[in-house]
Amino acid sequence: DAGITQSPRHKVTETGTPVTLRCHQTENHRYMYWYRQDPGHGLRLIHYSYGVKDTDKGEVSDGYSVSRSKTEDFLLTLESATSSQTSVYFCAISETGGNTEAFFGQGTRLTVV
Amino acid sequence: GNSVTQMEGPVTLSEEAFLTINCTYTATGYPSLFWYVQYPGEGLQLLLKATKADDKGSNKGFEATYRKETTSFHLEKGSVQVSDSAVYFCALSDDTGRRALTFGSGTRLQVQP
Repeated sequence: DAGITQSPRHKVTETGTPVTLRCHQTENHRYMYWYRQDPGHGLRLIHYSYGVKDTDKGEVSDGYSVSRSKTEDFLLTLESATSSQTSVYFCAISETGGNTEAFFGQGTRLTVV
Repeated sequence: GNSVTQMEGPVTLSEEAFLTINCTYTATGYPSLFWYVQYPGEGLQLLLKATKADDKGSNKGFEATYRKETTSFHLEKGSVQVSDSAVYFCALSDDTGRRALTFGSGTRLQVQP
């Protein structure tokens, strides 16, 4: 199994609070991604990174920010959580992106109350 | 932009039945196509892929052929097992820019003994 760990696995937070999710990899892959999974929508890209300090937005980036200060860590921050951000969040890694396999973490279930 | 359309689920089959899950896509250029599978409580894992037109991806008895003329990548299996019960996602990736996956909405398969 690819070495990719998400933390926390479950979190309940209140509306308006900041939340940070962490993705840690031991594969030294260049590309890292954050997706959210919602019923009827599949997985949608929030942000991605193509190297240390190199990040860019996906389709559903509003209300989220990311940082990648080390190859192995990719942080997703919800600046002020809203109920619409209740979802399951998945981190993925890929050696070169594109047509190479992506490996997924086990997901973080976030509930905003 | 890129998009993937999958048949709605759930799909309920008896063990040893034939499976087809339809997938069509819209993309510029020449994307790579994937099927990922998600078992309950887990992240996604690659089932098979095809990187150019007329390629056939196969794994664990599942097959899918990249049809550029019909922009399709339908998943098939000749004889399903209870252990195949999962959610199946069709996805594409382009080799430009962010090199990220675009997913369909997923199709839940339930196989009954």
